[in-house]
Amino acid sequence: DAGVIQSPRHEVTEMGQEVTLRCKPISGHNSLFWYRQTMMRGLELLIYFNNNVPIDDSGMPEDRFSAKMPNASFSTLKIQPSEPRDSAVYFCASRPLAGVGTGELFFGEGSRLTVL
Amino acid sequence: KQEVTQIPAALSVPEGENLVLNCSFTDSAIYNLQWFRQDPGKGLTSLLLIQSSQREQTSGRLNASLDKSSGRSTLYIAASQPGDSATYLCCKSNFGNEKLTFGTGTRLTIIP
Repeated sequence: DAGVIQSPRHEVTEMGQEVTLRCKPISGHNSLFWYRQTMMRGLELLIYFNNNVPIDDSGMPEDRFSAKMPNASFSTLKIQPSEPRDSAVYFCASRPLAGVGTGELFFGEGSRLTVL
Repeated sequence: KQEVTQIPAALSVPEGENLVLNCSFTDSAIYNLQWFRQDPGKGLTSLLLIQSSQREQTSGRLNASLDKSSGRSTLYIAASQPGDSATYLCCKSNFGNEKLTFGTGTRLTIIP
């Protein structure tokens, strides 16, 4: 398997623009997580899905952020409108459902977002 | 609130030495504990995962242990190499809770 695939790897945009980040989880993994990493706050969980259903979005900063998982092989994280403070690396991770296998979590390479 | 602590935040060690990284957690209701490394500008790479029923896992020069009673996990690196320089993070997963709690990481530098 190619692992968790994220795109784009780098995105530079201007304040106010819409940003869409994409993730393809590992085939067979039913849990998908979106994280944000900054120097100041470390890794923060934004939202996670089980079987394509959002389970906990309490980490989503505000209404400007939204996430979808239309099927088992694709998820998006959208920021509209973007602000400079959204600049961070956004990671997608996947694993089997809790209780299935070892529960090992795998990360994508991340999408580095810079909002000017 | 669950807390996962990694001390020290940074560590420098001469090449060839053995070293131990520490991870402490406050809630003993654990499903598994996973160790990752992160190179600058990269994603997190899984190193070892210890199930709650296990006490340790080994992969090459790496050995991770888990002591639930004391709320502690260690990552032992034998015969350190410059390529081991990275940030190491531990991550705790609870039963019945998909939320994973990450430590703040230890930035390791191996001095040639």
